[in-house]
Amino acid sequence: GQSLEQPSEVTAVEGAIVQINCTYQTSGFYGLSWYQQHDGGAPTFLSYNALDGLEETGRFSSFLSRSDSYGYLLLQELQMKDSASYFCASYSGNTPLVFGKGTRLSVIA
Amino acid sequence: DAGVIQSPRHEVTEMGQEVTLRCKPISGHDYLFWYRQTMMRGLELLIYFNNNVPIDDSGMPEDRFSAKMPNASFSTLKIQPSEPRDSAVYFCASSSDRGFSGNTIYFGEGSWLTVV
Repeated sequence: GQSLEQPSEVTAVEGAIVQINCTYQTSGFYGLSWYQQHDGGAPTFLSYNALDGLEETGRFSSFLSRSDSYGYLLLQELQMKDSASYFCASYSGNTPLVFGKGTRLSVIA
Repeated sequence: DAGVIQSPRHEVTEMGQEVTLRCKPISGHDYLFWYRQTMMRGLELLIYFNNNVPIDDSGMPEDRFSAKMPNASFSTLKIQPSEPRDSAVYFCASSSDRGFSGNTIYFGEGSWLTVV
């Protein structure tokens, strides 16, 4: 089976850095993805880690530690438009993505 | 490309009525997924198709739910009869990647269903 745990809510100040953690239990784990979803919108892809380490894409970075079954999404230079829900999702090769329940990020001035 | 197209965007129906949600995947994508999103349960996979064939429907909650994909450009998710607990956002997504790496799954805008 597969399960993912992430905090339900995080609040951070505009311009700051925030880290959203995700722990997973996934049989046959291949990789971890992150998706962003604004209220009323569709989930959209942010990043994917198959190997240990940090992947950087602009202001967003994602980290994976396979030995710890742990990953995180790092958002830098926070902007108000980053207020959204962020989902980690695990990929096990032969089954579609299984999503965590999401972390609602609120960016405040 | 127009992306994954879903209809209707919003539907309010009475308990007991039949509901049909529709999806047009991205052209050329071999995989189509139906997800349901609720506050309590998050994003749940209901069923997915490969080349129009249902591969795994273990996420379909009960016999009231059925899904079809008669051709590569169209899929339906039907609920009959509908119940208030079916109220949720239903997302259709498509992918061209056999390996399901996350960067190749594209979601539609969702169908917001309210059953009263």
